[in-house]
Amino acid sequence: DQQVKQNSPSLSVQEGRISILNCDYTNSMFDYFLWYKKYPAEGPTFLISISSIKDKNEDGRFTVFLNKSAKHLSLHIVPSQPGDSAVYFCAASKGAGSYQLTFGKGTKLSVIP
Amino acid sequence: EPEVTQTPSHQVTQMGQEVILRCVPISNHLYFYWYRQILGQKVEFLVSFYNNEISEKSEIFDDQFSVERPDGSNFTLKIRSTKLEDSAMYFCASTAEIIQGGQYFGPGTRLLVL
Repeated sequence: DQQVKQNSPSLSVQEGRISILNCDYTNSMFDYFLWYKKYPAEGPTFLISISSIKDKNEDGRFTVFLNKSAKHLSLHIVPSQPGDSAVYFCAASKGAGSYQLTFGKGTKLSVIP
Repeated sequence: EPEVTQTPSHQVTQMGQEVILRCVPISNHLYFYWYRQILGQKVEFLVSFYNNEISEKSEIFDDQFSVERPDGSNFTLKIRSTKLEDSAMYFCASTAEIIQGGQYFGPGTRLLVL
């Protein structure tokens, strides 16, 4: 039951370039989307989120884009830095009193110096 | 910066034994959660807790699991009779907001059931 899908298990990017991480979802009840970053032996760290009423949210080097009709969101990191190397998880919640997060499997980003 | 803490970081137990995983959420947070991640799989929601009661739980959270907030700071997950398939990383999370917002995760407890 893959309601949130991250189809790329890994991504390598040169330092300074843009990293684009993609996420698709199937459940139209999802109305809030989040990105988390995870280093080994640590818990997921919240990065950025977006409500379904928006199509873009920006925070420093991180921008999340939401295409609701395509049920697709992406995280752009620019410029990418070696410290960004981690596993990135896309997550979604349904709202209306339900705040449990449904996670994707993650994409391992490697930023090469 | 305030953070969610979890103890122990690692726990090894025999099948059938009871385990209690402990979490101290961020002090002004109101909502508390447990998630788990079996090795190689995605992070899965177990349960959410608000105002001293369970607000949501997943199919995974069966009668073997229970949660408690025994005092003003700790939030615990108890597994009454552990099974081999309970081996996983267990994450506690908390959030202050009563609307959707980023949940703040602890570092996790790695549980190994032998």
